[in-house]
Amino acid sequence: GAGVSQSPSNKVTEKGKDVELRCDPISGHTALYWYRQRLGQGLEFLIYFQGNSAPDKSGLPSDRFSAERTGESVSTLTIQRTQQEDSAVYLCASSSHSGTGGRGELFFGEGSRLTVL
Amino acid sequence: AQSVAQPEDQVNVAEGNPLTVKCTYSVSGNPYLFWYVQYPNRGLQFLLKYITGDNLVKGSYGFEAEFNKSQTSFHLKKPSALVSDSALYFCAVRDGPYGNNRLAFGKGNQVVVIP
Repeated sequence: GAGVSQSPSNKVTEKGKDVELRCDPISGHTALYWYRQRLGQGLEFLIYFQGNSAPDKSGLPSDRFSAERTGESVSTLTIQRTQQEDSAVYLCASSSHSGTGGRGELFFGEGSRLTVL
Repeated sequence: AQSVAQPEDQVNVAEGNPLTVKCTYSVSGNPYLFWYVQYPNRGLQFLLKYITGDNLVKGSYGFEAEFNKSQTSFHLKKPSALVSDSALYFCAVRDGPYGNNRLAFGKGNQVVVIP
């Protein structure tokens, strides 16, 4: 498709279970971001991938969170042993970076809404 | 690290009146500044950006923003608000071009346009 695609759109899980969230970026976009949006709050940076460079993982809130990206394509965000405070909308975005990076705007998916019971 | 402040939680404006959503930023280098809009249960949509050049930037849906370096501000404006402009607006900043590539977002402002 033409836009960023995320799945599942909604996920309800029990506390302690593992979840995987998937993001398909726009074809050709080398940069990929994951953000978390809690109810009534702004966007919290989680992780950033740029091409084959080492990812910027500095926003991951704990070692229960991890993310992978296959080349310049699909990314998965994994949350192990989920807790109720993990409930949020997880947003993925991609961007094309050319030359000196950072000028390009981000294109966001519609998010994966995670509810931990 | 770069950061953004959006001081107002909610902005109420009558339809047809000018709309302003405030944003101030903090970066160590030159700022790359962005505005995004989020409609209910949707992802964020890009409105406009300032990278370099003219301080007044025009974007989608009749929105514009003015970069003010001395006041470290990038306020979003629209001359005549529409009911359909009611949404959540986010300001964001990146420390570019030689800083990290993290895009830091403000907490967002809920805009309510009253018919």
